[in-house]
Amino acid sequence: QSALTQPPSASGPPGQRVTISCSGSSSNIESNPVNWYQQLPGTAPKLLMYTNNQRPSGVPDRFSGSKSGTSASLAISGLQSEDEADYYCAAWDDSLSGWVFGGGTKLTVL
Amino acid sequence: QVQLVESGGGVVQPGRSLRLSCAASGFTFSGYAMHWVRQAPGKGLEWEAVISYDGSDKYYADSVKGRFTISRDNSKNTLYLQMDGLRAEDTAVYYCAKGVTSRPPSRIEYWGQGALVTVSS
Repeated sequence: QSALTQPPSASGPPGQRVTISCSGSSSNIESNPVNWYQQLPGTAPKLLMYTNNQRPSGVPDRFSGSKSGTSASLAISGLQSEDEADYYCAAWDDSLSGWVFGGGTKLTVL
Repeated sequence: QVQLVESGGGVVQPGRSLRLSCAASGFTFSGYAMHWVRQAPGKGLEWEAVISYDGSDKYYADSVKGRFTISRDNSKNTLYLQMDGLRAEDTAVYYCAKGVTSRPPSRIEYWGQGALVTVSS
């Protein structure tokens, strides 16, 4: 059981907007920044969003992030087929003194 | 550009040991914290350990504490993971990853391609 809770799957047709949630606790998400990683099929993960809502260079502005209390979310607008991937949230946990990941959300573009 | 290349994976019997290495290039290795993260077949990401730029600070996931040891050799630009007392549930792809700061927590910004470790008799 992951310390951060994500829905196992999400989907939408091309062009639509999809949101992926990440639920944690006071010792992780509420206390520390949240990062998001994208893992395309058969590849290593890639940093997609950091410090809740900051995009690394090269990440399209179709991707956005937010955080409120013990929850965070990743929104993808204008869905494209190349967005099909697994998405993971992550945060440092002060109680565990370690990083915790969500279980991952598999995004399907219909 | 940042390159992280893991090696040392393979098939090992339960209870035995294995050491993974990660050769780093494209950045000043001695200035950054480094991580190991694993992914069991068909499963999600699980963080295992982080080490500070100079090796003085180390943190481990409860699942590997006391069995795995993270270390680094800055003169060789190499990160290591010594895995002892391996169990079937340790079977996974192990990723080496670069942190964004010198000390933990240091979020992960780059990942290697991973090394597969299979624990089986």
